[in-house]
Amino acid sequence: DTAVSQTPKYLVTQMGNDKSIKCEQNLGHDTMYWYKQDSKKFLKIMFSYNNKELIINETVPNRFSPKSPDKAHLNLHINSLELGDSAVYFCASSLSGGQGSEQYFGPGTRLTVT
Amino acid sequence: QKEVEQDPGPLSVPEGAIVSLNCTYSNSAFQYFMWYRQYSRKGPELLMYTYSSGNKEDGRFTAQVDKSSKYISLFIRDSQPSDSATYLCAMTPSDGDNFNKFYFGSGTKLNVKP
Repeated sequence: DTAVSQTPKYLVTQMGNDKSIKCEQNLGHDTMYWYKQDSKKFLKIMFSYNNKELIINETVPNRFSPKSPDKAHLNLHINSLELGDSAVYFCASSLSGGQGSEQYFGPGTRLTVT
Repeated sequence: QKEVEQDPGPLSVPEGAIVSLNCTYSNSAFQYFMWYRQYSRKGPELLMYTYSSGNKEDGRFTAQVDKSSKYISLFIRDSQPSDSATYLCAMTPSDGDNFNKFYFGSGTKLNVKP
């Protein structure tokens, strides 16, 4: 009964490859997020969707493309992977964006680019 | 300068000690404040949230917000080895262009020794 789930949990790949990470939430939330956490534990927002509509698109290379087929799913596709993309990627969801809306995080996808 | 600053630690305390974790921020628009706990290789889990200034208590945890000083704190009483984790503060404005964005501190690593 995982609230926010991500697949895969670990991803090891070579530079130049294309990979996808999937996220699903069963909380009935309207808003979903992708975060990148670097080796120093700093969490930085990348994208946010509200009811399948992109509402936050931070300064992220356009090699990263999110897609939300419905409000329970948010996927992240990464083209032409680079060494600097190695990090832990977290998906999160909240009932609505902004004030008073706590975010629930998935377990993370640990991406290693060699 | 980052929007949210947090001492990375590590902070090492004996079991039973009172722990004080702190964050400072620069954006006076932040109105909603949260503390997350992150165990190693897990996703962040929400511990406490407060709106605007004041204190909030939940069991052994107390969250404190001083908006005039742009300073928030999390106090842990009677700390336990199971409290050993990284603690992240997060905040968001209540409205405006960035109201869907959560800004995180870099986390303080806490080690409670038995």
